[in-house]
Parts: sequence; structure tokens; C-alpha cells
Amino acid sequence: KQEVTQIPAALSVPEGENLVLNCSFTDSAIYNLQWFRQDPGKGLTSLLLIQSSQREQTSGRLNASLDKSSGRSTLYIAASQPGDSATYLCAVNKIIFGKGTRLHILP
Amino acid sequence: DAGVIQSPRHEVTEMGQEVTLRCKPISGHDYLFWYRQTMMRGLELLIYFNNNVPIDDSGMPEDRFSAKMPNASFSTLKIQPSEPRDSAVYFCASSPQGANYNEQFFGPGTRLTVL
Repeated sequence: KQEVTQIPAALSVPEGENLVLNCSFTDSAIYNLQWFRQDPGKGLTSLLLIQSSQREQTSGRLNASLDKSSGRSTLYIAASQPGDSATYLCAVNKIIFGKGTRLHILP
Repeated sequence: DAGVIQSPRHEVTEMGQEVTLRCKPISGHDYLFWYRQTMMRGLELLIYFNNNVPIDDSGMPEDRFSAKMPNASFSTLKIQPSEPRDSAVYFCASSPQGANYNEQFFGPGTRLTVL
């Protein structure tokens, strides 16, 4: 059974720093991995989608990588801003979610 | 487009009462998903539909939960009778067919509290 883990559960980082969020999965036979952002009291917003044949995807200050052999994905956020504060979730094969990392950017 | 619409946004009810949550997917989307989110278990898929037909309901916790999609623009998730452990945020999401199939668009959620 596929399990998705995100560690740490919470992270605080000073504004302007680059940071990396982690996502691990137990079964490397995946067909895609997605990163989402969730603001308090809101639904999820898709940030990046990586197909199994891809190694990374980029959108603005965000870069997501995928290493199926090691069962890992990372979300890199460059030059963090207070508006980046949110919970970030990863999902494997569209419907299996990690519990998220709650990110707080300190002004 | 207004996005995925869910109602009510908040629901407080007493144990044993029937609860009905509603969802309107994005027009033209053929897939509809119901999720439940709790602190302990995170976001879990309950059921999803394709062209109004339930495809996978293995995530539905027990017979107290039922979901319907009578047409392409409306779905309901019903809990009868409700229990305190059903308290959670329930999300509906929809996806298009084809190349963008893996894009999911989430509604704002319904926060359910069962006393």
C-alpha cells in the first residue's frame, strides 16, 4: 500500500531564504506527483505536477524534483516571502496525500 | 468560472442527525472527488465519480456514508446517522478529461462538527 510522508510537519524560515520541503513515498511505481498549497480555511491549490517520466518542474520561484528510485520529491522555494506561508501537501498518483508541512515565513 | 462550489461552508449538528453536503463541480469536468481532512489522518479520498458513475468508493468509511451524483453538475455526500468522529473538513474536487486529467480543482470545503 502506497504511503506518503512529509517531514517536518512544521517549518519556520526567515524571509528571503531559500528552502526545501520534502515528500517521501513507499512505492516507486508512481505515474505522477503533485504539490499543492493550502491556506487556512481554504481548499487546495495545485502548484506543480510532475509526470513519472519527468525529473523536475518549475514555476516562478518554485521548483519540484522527483526521484522515483529513492521514493522522494522535493519542493524548492527561492527567496521566500511572507505570502508563501501556508501548508504544502504532496500527492502521489493524484489521490494519495501526505499530511503536509506547515510553512511560516518570518518577516 | 466560479470554481468548485460547496455548501454549506460550516455545519454543526448533533450526533444521530442526518447531514447532507453538496458540491457543484466546474462545468465540463467529468471527474468528481470527495475527500475528508482531519488532523490525525490528513486528506483521505472517500469516493470518486466519472461521468456521474461511482468508480471507487473503497474510501467510504462505513455504511453510514453515501454519495450520489444525479447529474453532471451536482453531487451529494450524506452521513446518516452522524457521529462525533465524523467531524472533519470535507472537500469536493473536480478534474477534466484528457491531457489535463491530473489537474484537480478543489472547493473551499465544508467544516462539519458533530456534537
